[in-house]
Amino acid sequence: AQTVTQSQPEMSVQEAETVTLSCTYDTSESNYYLFWYKQPPSRQMILVIRQEAYKQQNATENRFSVNFQKAAKSFSLKISDSQLGDTAMYFCAFMKPGTYKYIFGTGTRLKVLA
Amino acid sequence: DVKVTQSSRYLVKRTGEKVFLECVQDMDHENMFWYRQDPGLGLRLIYFSYDVKMKEKGDIPEGYSVSREKKERFSLILESASTNQTSMYLCASSSILQLAGGEAGELFFGEGSRLTVL
Repeated sequence: AQTVTQSQPEMSVQEAETVTLSCTYDTSESNYYLFWYKQPPSRQMILVIRQEAYKQQNATENRFSVNFQKAAKSFSLKISDSQLGDTAMYFCAFMKPGTYKYIFGTGTRLKVLA
Repeated sequence: DVKVTQSSRYLVKRTGEKVFLECVQDMDHENMFWYRQDPGLGLRLIYFSYDVKMKEKGDIPEGYSVSREKKERFSLILESASTNQTSMYLCASSSILQLAGGEAGELFFGEGSRLTVL
């Protein structure tokens, strides 16, 4: 069975600084998807970024980028130029293609400080 | 924009009551989900529906049932609420994307329903 581990329950970062959120996973699959979702306080969870395991290139979405290390089964999220609006709970998730059975980590609560 | 609407943001129920949580999506998505979110446990899948009247059990289906009579609506039912079902319940729907690596989809979530069972 697949598992997703987020070892940092809480983190904080100063506005405009860079922060990296960690995620590791365990699977015997060779093809899968990894995601980072963001849940702002009292607001809907939204997709931040998606990585396809067969792609060597790390995904990037504006200030958000990932460091995908397939052999190490590591999938960290880097947020550059942190903004107050980045304050949220961040969840890492794994999905085997076609199953729609997302496996979520326990989340990292990020606070951006002014 | 995709909208997923959950009928109640906050509910307080008594032990033994029957509870209905309703979810409606407006993007014609085939897939709909019910998750439970608890601190330190992340999101856990209760049930998944991939079509009208079709459902699959998730990781924690005990004590719950679901209904999907129309494509846009997915209901979660607690037949007899218990205190250990006090939680945040999240509904989601997903698109189906045919990507080079296989089928995937982005989850679109509702705002959540915080249920307290006394």
